[in-house]
Amino acid sequence: SAVISQKPSRDICQRGTSLTIQCQVDSQVTMMFWYRQQPGQSLTLIATANQGSEATYESGFVIDKFPISRPNLTFSTLTVSNMSPEDSSIYLCSVPTGKGSYEQYFGPGTRLTVT
Amino acid sequence: DAKTTQPPSMDCAEGRAANLPCNHSTISGNEYVYWYRQIHSQGPQYIIHGLKNNETNEMASLIITEDRKSSTLILPHATLRDTAVYYCIVRANNYGQNFVFGPGTRLSVLP
Repeated sequence: SAVISQKPSRDICQRGTSLTIQCQVDSQVTMMFWYRQQPGQSLTLIATANQGSEATYESGFVIDKFPISRPNLTFSTLTVSNMSPEDSSIYLCSVPTGKGSYEQYFGPGTRLTVT
Repeated sequence: DAKTTQPPSMDCAEGRAANLPCNHSTISGNEYVYWYRQIHSQGPQYIIHGLKNNETNEMASLIITEDRKSSTLILPHATLRDTAVYYCIVRANNYGQNFVFGPGTRLSVLP
């Protein structure tokens, strides 16, 4: 299994500001996924981040609001821009295992509260 | 949209088997059944997956019906630490395929 860490683990931010969330994996992976989990809700995919190419965003999510960087095969960042209270969520990154069954492993998440 | 239907909540007595059902009547031939769980404030944890045969690992057993339209996750001896939301997901076994999470089943293991 992959070991995934995220920074920060939680933050409280003021509306209108931006927060960059880091995701670090202990092995090289081609693809990384970013999910959002709003309070009391299930997980929703934000985007898929491939190294060396632009991230692919799901319907309802745009690059200006959630820019993603993928500088190498072990690291990615997600920025939540111009935050509003509606952005208060847990943000999670995940990676596929690449061992044939392709289950995904998830990071511990970043709990964001926007005031 | 998620392709599965699960009961919103279940209770189980500590030490007893927890049987979590999942309906996936529109599952395609190339889609696997995956189970994850999410303990409060943590990232989802992979439990088990299968195609058509029953599967068992150190965490759980997965029973898939012959027509593959439903399955059951079995935690043989539930503990308080198994209290979590359990997600049943059907998905093709592709490296780049993301998981679509439904609302899941909130399992409460009671002392």
